[in-house]
Amino acid sequence: QVQLVQSGAEVKKPGASVKVSCEASGYTFTGYYIHWVRQAPGQGLEWVGRINPNSGGTNYAQKFQGRVTMTRDTSINTAYMELSRLRSDDTAVYYCARDWGEDPLLSAWGQGTLVTVSS
Amino acid sequence: DIQMTQSPSSLSASVGDRVTITCRASQGISNYLAWYQQKPGKVPKLLIYVASTLQSGVPSRFSGSGSGTDFTLTISSLQPEDVATYYCQKYNSAPFTFGPGTKVDIK
Repeated sequence: QVQLVQSGAEVKKPGASVKVSCEASGYTFTGYYIHWVRQAPGQGLEWVGRINPNSGGTNYAQKFQGRVTMTRDTSINTAYMELSRLRSDDTAVYYCARDWGEDPLLSAWGQGTLVTVSS
Repeated sequence: DIQMTQSPSSLSASVGDRVTITCRASQGISNYLAWYQQKPGKVPKLLIYVASTLQSGVPSRFSGSGSGTDFTLTISSLQPEDVATYYCQKYNSAPFTFGPGTKVDIK
């Protein structure tokens, strides 16, 4: 079955960077986009961006352009999201999710990674 | 970018009630609209796509409608297990923006 396993919680200081990983199993990693969605405490879902694991091509939400970098390592079926110049309002649970391939519908989700930004 | 809005932001209804949530896009998105359900402490779950098609395994009391800019999610008979926050999401093109969510609970 499709499974996405994310790295553990992180605590970072303002201005630092964080890199979250998402290891995929149960399907052909290069066949489906991986999306990243975040959720601040008590808040709604926010789409951050996506990566095509086959080509490495990315789309980012404008809000994160210049601060987010999504990469992948196909040898270990893992996608990464790095967010730089962290601020306190970046404190959130970051989810990776796999889409359907032909449509960007998110049908499989990782367990989430809490990133806390605090001085 | 296209903005997504939802109303109401929260609602409280009795078991068995019919519940309707509205989602609006700032520009037309045809029927490229999905609904997700997020129960407390859980990851989101895809409920409906192309505005009105139920994902496999979703109870038939859920339905979706709409096209263009205005969409609705209806729960025909609210059940205790439907307590959740519901999000719409556009997916015609990136960015795949979510609506702000509608929190549903039991009166």
